[in-house]
Formats: sequence, C-alpha cells, structure tokens
Amino acid sequence: GDSVTQMEGPVTLSEEAFLTINCTYTATGYPSLFWYVQYPGEGLQLLLKATKADDKGSNKGFEATYRKETTSFHLEKGSVQVSDSAVYFCALLSGSARQLTFGSGTQLTVLP
Amino acid sequence: EAGVTQSPTHLIKTRGQQATLRCSPISGHTSVYWYQQALGLGLQFLLWYDEGEERNRGNFPPRFSGRQFPNYSSELNVNALELEDSALYLCASSLVFGAYNEQFFGPGTRLTVL
Repeated sequence: GDSVTQMEGPVTLSEEAFLTINCTYTATGYPSLFWYVQYPGEGLQLLLKATKADDKGSNKGFEATYRKETTSFHLEKGSVQVSDSAVYFCALLSGSARQLTFGSGTQLTVLP
Repeated sequence: EAGVTQSPTHLIKTRGQQATLRCSPISGHTSVYWYQQALGLGLQFLLWYDEGEERNRGNFPPRFSGRQFPNYSSELNVNALELEDSALYLCASSLVFGAYNEQFFGPGTRLTVL
C-alpha cells in the first residue's frame, strides 16, 4: 500500500538557518504530494502541493519539488523564522480512494 | 469565506459511552473526510463521505461510523468508547470534481476518554 517516510524529528534551528525536511514515498500510479503544517493547538494547514513529476510547489518561502526518479518531495526553506515553529507533515493522495496518507510529522523549533 | 468548522472543541467521555463529533464543510464542498490523530500513531484516515454516501473507510472497527446530511455537514459517531480512542479528530472537505483536489482541514475536536 501507499506509505510516506518522513525525516525524524525534532529539528531545532536558529533563526535564518536553512531548513530541509526529507520526505520519500511509496505509491502506485502517480500520486499528488503535499506538505501540511500544524501550529500548536490547531488543525492542519496546506503549505504547498505538487500534482505531477518535476512540479515545484512553493508558499511562504517554502519549496518542494516532486522527484519521481527518487520518489521524494523534500521541504526546503532558505531562512527560517521563529514563527515557522510547528509540526510539518508530508502526505500523498493517489487513486480514487481520496485518502491522504501522511508521514509521521517533523517537529520544527526555531530559536531566536 | 468561512473554513471548515468542527464542534465541540473538546469532548470528555468515559469508557463505554458514545461520542458524537460534528463538521461543517466549506461552502460548495460536497466531500467530507475524517482523520484521527492519536499520540504515537500519527494521522490516520477514517472515513470519506460524498453526496451523502460513505465512499471509503480506513482500517477502523465498525464502532466508528458517521453520516453526511443533505447540507453536506457530517457527523462522526464513536460507540463503546475505549481509552485508546482519545485523540484529535480532524475533519476536512474538498470539491468533488478532480481526483486530486486538496483537502482543507478544520481545527479538530479533542476527544478524551477517561
């Protein structure tokens, strides 16, 4: 079945540091890929998405590129801020079942 | 535009009781999804409703059930509550057309089973 493997956390960075959170997936067919963010005490917010190979999703300075050859969708940001502290989830959606399959989540803490 | 809303925010029940959680989708969205976020288990898909019908179900026992009303709002019922049902229950909605329409999430209902 479908699965998402996400970089283990927690990750602690200083403000303005470079961020990479690794995500790889296993899926049949051609899934769409997503990054969601969860701030403390809140639900999930869609951060960015990519629906086909080589697509780059971007939002709020975050980027991720759909790499079919390596089945990866790594999240990157050039300069993190304290306000980026949250839990980040990589997810995929494939086929007609419409269910999102999530990675385990990565807790990011950015220190001033 | 209002987002996905869920009620109640918190719910405390005891073992063996029943819990009912409610969700209102974004206006114009006909699909509603339920996910469970339990500590240590991550986010797991529970149910998908569209046009009043259950379309897909995750690997959960039958005591997890729900329905979707004509106005597309939805209810999740959990019968015979067990301690391990304590979790954040997230509802999401999406448009029906297109296989990969993004799902928009509500803030969740925190269920605590004592």
